[in-house]
Amino acid sequence: EVQLVESGGGLVKPGGSLRLSCEVSGFTFSNAWMTWVRQAPGKGLEWVGRIKSTADGGAINYAAPVKGRFTISRDDSKNTLYVQMNSLKTEDTAVYYCTTAAESGHLSDWGQGTLVTVSS
Amino acid sequence: SYELTQPPSVSVSPGQTASITCSGDKLGDKYACWYQQKPGQSPLLVIYQDSKRPSGVPERFSGSNSGNTATLTISGTQAMDEADYYCQAWDINTEVFGGGTKLTVL
Repeated sequence: EVQLVESGGGLVKPGGSLRLSCEVSGFTFSNAWMTWVRQAPGKGLEWVGRIKSTADGGAINYAAPVKGRFTISRDDSKNTLYVQMNSLKTEDTAVYYCTTAAESGHLSDWGQGTLVTVSS
Repeated sequence: SYELTQPPSVSVSPGQTASITCSGDKLGDKYACWYQQKPGQSPLLVIYQDSKRPSGVPERFSGSNSGNTATLTISGTQAMDEADYYCQAWDINTEVFGGGTKLTVL
């Protein structure tokens, strides 16, 4: 059974930092392309970024609103995906989901999400 | 930047066919997919690569994509299909989501 479990969310002040983790099981993580998607309270889905598998070069792409502030990484030995979030803004408040990503772009499996609240 | 446009809401009677559209420039040249999200739950992929259904998704869900419009069709809509639906496409190293459509079954 495929499982993705996010952790690390919480309350942080504007300008602060937070690192989210996503531990996966049930599939070969090292072969998987992975993404982060977020959803602000009561709003729609917003793509954050994608990392290819190490075998495919590990290239990373980011959405414009987070580029330069967020860093996506992976540790294949721990079956874990990360996103380091710096210089957080109130508009970064959202539930953050990790997902598997196909080359054609669709996101097959989703975690339960972790809530990040940026507020003073 | 690339944009996908969905109607904010669609209503359908039980047993009838619901159609939700997603519009974008030359969307038919890209792969479109659709997600269902019920309150308090994570999104669920219901259609990928325009018209393919993941294992476990009921046959009443179907999709098409041509020109500038992708369409999600739910035949014989059931009360359990009431949810938010999002389209999504991949454009030059960026995933793009539509704004979402609230499907009401009444």
